Amino acid sequence: GAVVSQHPSRVICKSGTSVKIECRSLDFQATTMFWYRQFPKKSLMLMATSNEGSKATYEQGVEKDKFLINHASLTLSTLTVTSAHPEDSSFYICSASGTGRETDTQYFGPGTRLTVL
Amino acid sequence: DQQVKQNSPSLSVQEGRISILNCDYTNSMFDYFLWYKKYPAEGPTFLISISSIKDKNEDGRFTVFLNKSAKHLSLHIVPSQPGDSAVYFCAASATGGTSYGKLTFGQGTILTVHP
Repeated sequence: GAVVSQHPSRVICKSGTSVKIECRSLDFQATTMFWYRQFPKKSLMLMATSNEGSKATYEQGVEKDKFLINHASLTLSTLTVTSAHPEDSSFYICSASGTGRETDTQYFGPGTRLTVL
Repeated sequence: DQQVKQNSPSLSVQEGRISILNCDYTNSMFDYFLWYKKYPAEGPTFLISISSIKDKNEDGRFTVFLNKSAKHLSLHIVPSQPGDSAVYFCAASATGGTSYGKLTFGQGTILTVHP
C-alpha cells in the first residue's frame, strides 16, 4: 500500500513552454501533497505544500507564479512549470501523506526528470 | 541553517556486517523522524520511522534508535546486503503547529555494501 505515481517520468521541452507534472496517490487519500526539487548530489528541497481544495504554501524563494500547484482532489496534485528556462531543469519529486497510517509519513513518487533546452 | 545533518557523506561496509548511519538535528520541535532510501533518478522509499515518545523501533533488518537528549538518531542495518547500497536520507518533522507534516531532510549518506 501507500503507492504514489508521477507522470511523466521524464520530459524535454523548449525554453518558454510550460510543463505539467502529475502526482497521484494510488491506494490512499492524500490530504497533503508536497513538491520537492533535487539538484545533482544534493538533498531534496521542499518547494511547496498543498492541501486538497486550498492554495499551496510555498517555501521561501520559490516563485509561486512560476511553479503553479493544484491539488483538486484527494488523489491528484499537479505542478506546472510555466515559461520554463534551462535553469528549471531538475529532478522534481512529489510526496503524499494522508489519513490512517499514512498521516505522518510521506510516501514519494518516482520523480520526473525535466530538461529544458 | 541545516536543521538535520548527516555528517558522513559516505559509508562502506562488508556484506553481512552491520551498517550504522547517523543523523543529528537541532530543532527541538521535531518529534517524528524517518529514514528513506534512494536510488539515482528515483523517488525516496520509506524505510522506517520513530516517534519521539520511543527510543527504538525495529522492522526486520532495520532498527532506528533515537536519543532525544543528544538530538541524535541512527539507523542500523544488520546484516547488510549488497542490495542495500543506496543513498540514505534521514528526515524530521514537527507534527504540531503550522509545520505539520513538513519534512526536513539531511544531506544523505551513500552506503556501499561490498560482497
